[in-house]
Amino acid sequence: EAEVAQSPRYKITEKSQAVAFWCDPISGHATLYWYRQILGQGPELLVQFQDESVVDDSQLPKDRFSAERLKGVDSTLKIQPAELGDSAMYLCASSPGLAVGQIQYFGAGTRLSVL
Amino acid sequence: KNEVEQSPQNLTAQEGEFITINCSYSVGISALHWLQQHPGGGIVSLFMLSSGKKKHGRLIATINIQEKHSSLHITASHPRDSAVYICAVREGTSGSRLTFGEGTQLTVNP
Repeated sequence: EAEVAQSPRYKITEKSQAVAFWCDPISGHATLYWYRQILGQGPELLVQFQDESVVDDSQLPKDRFSAERLKGVDSTLKIQPAELGDSAMYLCASSPGLAVGQIQYFGAGTRLSVL
Repeated sequence: KNEVEQSPQNLTAQEGEFITINCSYSVGISALHWLQQHPGGGIVSLFMLSSGKKKHGRLIATINIQEKHSSLHITASHPRDSAVYICAVREGTSGSRLTFGEGTQLTVNP
């Protein structure tokens, strides 16, 4: 069964270092989402792509976070420099498109710990 | 006040019990999702509702659009049902942004 792939599963870094997460959506899915989930809270949307274009990045802290999906397939989320408050689970999801009836399929996530 | 509120935050049940998790929202929505998140982080979509009721196995989801309320029911609960259950709403009629509740931690003891 097709699934959303994320790597790494776990990342430990020191504050002020750069980190990057990778996501490969389900083949053929045009829409890709990056979420941040702080322990004990629901996921929060960071950025949404439709193909290679950013549709919504209103919640992305653009001073330190960046995301790209250059060929409209896989995507990278980067944090530079990492801060202690960035410790969270970073989830990637994909859906076939933007229509109301589309279900989002989630990856297993990358758990980031910033020391 | 969060746009999506779930109750209870934590729920402990004995195997076999009937379980209800509630979700209330304050915005107009086009769809509501129930998601299951297991330890380790992976999220699985259980239901997507825009009206009425859906059933899958031992899981039942209902939504009342007028009251802005949805419930997730688990019949004959089992320890493997232990997980965080998250309610998420798709606001309005445009775009695909989901707004998530904070989740309900369910523990089913044998």
